[in-house]
Order: sequence, then C-alpha cells, then structure tokens
Amino acid sequence: EVQLVESGGGLVQPGGSLRLSCAASGFTFSGSWMSWVRQAPGKGLEWVANIKYDGSDKYYVDSVKGRFTISRDNAKDSLSLQMNSLRAEDTAIYYCARAQFGFDYWGQGTLVTVSS
Amino acid sequence: DIVMTQSPDSLAVSLGERATINCKSSQSVLYTSNNKNFLAWYQQKSRQPPKLLIYWASTRESGVPDRFSGSGSGTDFTLTISSLQAEDVAVYYCQQYYSTPITFGQGTRLEIK
Repeated sequence: EVQLVESGGGLVQPGGSLRLSCAASGFTFSGSWMSWVRQAPGKGLEWVANIKYDGSDKYYVDSVKGRFTISRDNAKDSLSLQMNSLRAEDTAIYYCARAQFGFDYWGQGTLVTVSS
Repeated sequence: DIVMTQSPDSLAVSLGERATINCKSSQSVLYTSNNKNFLAWYQQKSRQPPKLLIYWASTRESGVPDRFSGSGSGTDFTLTISSLQAEDVAVYYCQQYYSTPITFGQGTRLEIK
C-alpha cells in the first residue's frame, strides 16, 4: 500500500523557519519525481516545488524561490521542505505528492500557520 | 506561466444527469513530439487530499469509475461525469504539467441539484 506521511507543520511567527518531512512507502521512491503542493485555507491548489528522482534538479514557484529548499534522502525514502523567512501568505496545508503523469499519490497534508 | 481557467466556478446537477466542467489553458499543453496533452484532472472531497482522476487529458487513473471521462486537446479540455452520483460531490481541478511552474485551475465546485 502506498503511503505518504507528512510531518513538521505547526504555528510559526512571520520571519521564522520550519522544516517539513514526508515519509514514503509502498512504491519506488528513488525512481520517482516528488513534489510539494499547498492549499491555503478555503483556497485552491498551488504547486510549490519539484525534485528529480536523484535530487539533481529542483524547481520552485516564484513566490518561494530563495526561501524554500526541497531535498530528499533516497536511503530513507524521505522528502523534505525547508521553509525560511515565512510569511502570512505561506499559511496552508502542505501536501507531499508523487509527480508522475500528474500527481498520482498524495499524503494527508500538514498544516503550516504563519502568524504572530 | 501557463494560466489555467475553469468554467463554471460552481455547478449543480441532478443525480443521474451529466456534469461537464471546462478548462482552458493560456497556451497549448500539447507536446507535439509524442502527441500527448500534459493535462490532468483531480477530485477533492471535503477535508481530503486531491485524487487524480485523469492524466494525458483522457487517460483514466486506475480504479476511477468509467462515468468520468476527459477530452480535448491543445488549449481546451473537458471533464465529463456521465451520470452524477451522490459521492461525486467535490471540487474538481484541472492542472497542466507541460512546464514549470506547474499550474492548476481555480477549481469547480460540483453539487447536487
């Protein structure tokens, strides 16, 4: 059974940092592109970042470039998102997803709230 | 960036009737070298993550009921639910994966009339 389990969300002050993790199982993680997708409360879906199966290529939406870093550890079947200089507009549920033809596997998400 | 625009924003359809959601991209998402449209559709029910329904514009994901179908090419796409069931109440999103940034439509809320 495929599982993606996110963790690391919480309440953080503007300007603060947070690191999200995603534990993968049930598929060949090391052969899969992976992504983070977020959804602000009551809003639509926004792709945040992609990382190639070997970690050699990374892509970001403009609004997080220079602040967020996506990474992976294929030995641990783990995906991460380091988020720095957080802003109120980063408040969202963050989903980990496998990027195949579209996003075919999704986690349940972890909520990040940026507020003072 | 490729802008994805869905219509309508919301839709109410009677049980057993057809539901049609449209999606238009600001530029073509057809990759001519393999003749594939880099377009996917998702269903998101309340308090759940999205679920992939359709990829390559018309290929149904494994396990998705055959009442769901996708069509279109280039810049204009359609998701059709042939006979609406109560469990189809959800928000539906189209998404292009032709180029980064990957972008989604704003969503279409589907309800029972």
